[in-house]
Formats: sequence, structure tokens, C-alpha cells
Amino acid sequence: KQEVTQIPAALSVPEGENLVLNCSFTDSAIYNLQWFRQDPGKGLTSLLLIQSSQREQTSGRLNASLDKSSGRSTLYIAASQPGDSATYLCAVFPMDSNYQLIWGAGTKLIIKP
Amino acid sequence: EAQVTQNPRYLITVTGKKLTVTCSQNMNHEYMSWYRQDPGLGLRQIYYSMNVEVTDKGDVPEGYKVSRKEKRNFPLILESPSPNQTSLYFCASRTTANSFYGYTFGSGTRLTVV
Repeated sequence: KQEVTQIPAALSVPEGENLVLNCSFTDSAIYNLQWFRQDPGKGLTSLLLIQSSQREQTSGRLNASLDKSSGRSTLYIAASQPGDSATYLCAVFPMDSNYQLIWGAGTKLIIKP
Repeated sequence: EAQVTQNPRYLITVTGKKLTVTCSQNMNHEYMSWYRQDPGLGLRQIYYSMNVEVTDKGDVPEGYKVSRKEKRNFPLILESPSPNQTSLYFCASRTTANSFYGYTFGSGTRLTVV
């Protein structure tokens, strides 16, 4: 059964630092992996969608990589800002599911001014 | 704008009073689903629908009903809400025409049952 793990669970860094959030999954048979952002008590905003055949996707200061064979994805945030403070969730779309996403527990990120 | 719209955004109700949370998408997506999110438990799927008149249970369906009479709408019905259904609810949709597309989520509904 597919399991998704995100490390660390929480991260607090000073403004301006580059940082990496990690997501690992146990079964490499996936169609894609999606990174989301969630502000406290709010909705889910899709940040990046990376296909199983791709190695990385970029959007502004965000870069997501995918190593399907090792079951890992990273979300790289460059030049972090206080507005980046949120919980970041990764979710995989397994090939053997009825379109059900499998979610990580999230990384709570705090960027200190 | 392509979006999934949930209403209401916030709802406080009493135990046993039937309620409906609406979900509508304007992307002609075949697949729609409902999730609930609870601290420490993450996101769990309640029900999903592969197309009109086709629905199935997710991981936590007890106490919920859904219907899919039209492609764009997928309401979540709580016939007799209980305090353990206090949660943050999300509706999502996606196309089934291509497995390589992503999901679009609504803004969430914060439900409190007292």
C-alpha cells in the first residue's frame, strides 16, 4: 500500500534562506506528484504538478524535483519570504488507485522576518 | 476562471440537523471527490464520483451521503450531523480523460457541529 512521508514535520528559518522540503513515497508506480500549499484553516493551493516522466518543474522561486526510482521528491524554495509561511503538502496519484490521492502529513514552514 | 466552488465556507450547526455542503466545478471534469481534514489525521477521502450517477465510498464514508445528478455538482449531505464530523472539508475534481492531469480543490468548508 502506498505511503507518503514528509520530512521535516516543521521548519523555522530566517527570511532569505533557500530551503528544501522532502517527500518520499513507497511505491514508484505513480502517474504524478503534486505539491500544495495550505494557509492555516484555509484551502489547498496547487503549487506544482510533476509527471512521473519528468525530473523537475519550476514556478517562480519554487522548484520541484522527482526521482521516481528512489521514491523521492523535493520542493526547493529560493530566497524565502515571510509570505511563504504555510503548510506544504505533497500528494501522489498512484497507478493502482481509483483516482484517490495519497497524502503526506505536511511540513509546517515558518519564515521569520 | 477554472475553479471548484464550495459553499458555505463556514458553518456552525447543532447535532442532528440535516445539512448540505455544495460543490460545483466549471471544468467539465468527470471525477469529483470529498475529503475531510483533521489535525493529526491528514486528508481522508469520504466519497468520490467517477461520473454522473456513479459514486463510491472512500475511506471514511460513515455518516455522509453524496449524489451526482449533474456533472458539475457533487453535494455532500450530512443527514444527522454529530460532533465528530466537525472538520475542514474539501471538494476536488479532475478529468479522467488523461491520467497526467492534476487535481483542483475548492477553498474548503469549516464545519462545526455542537
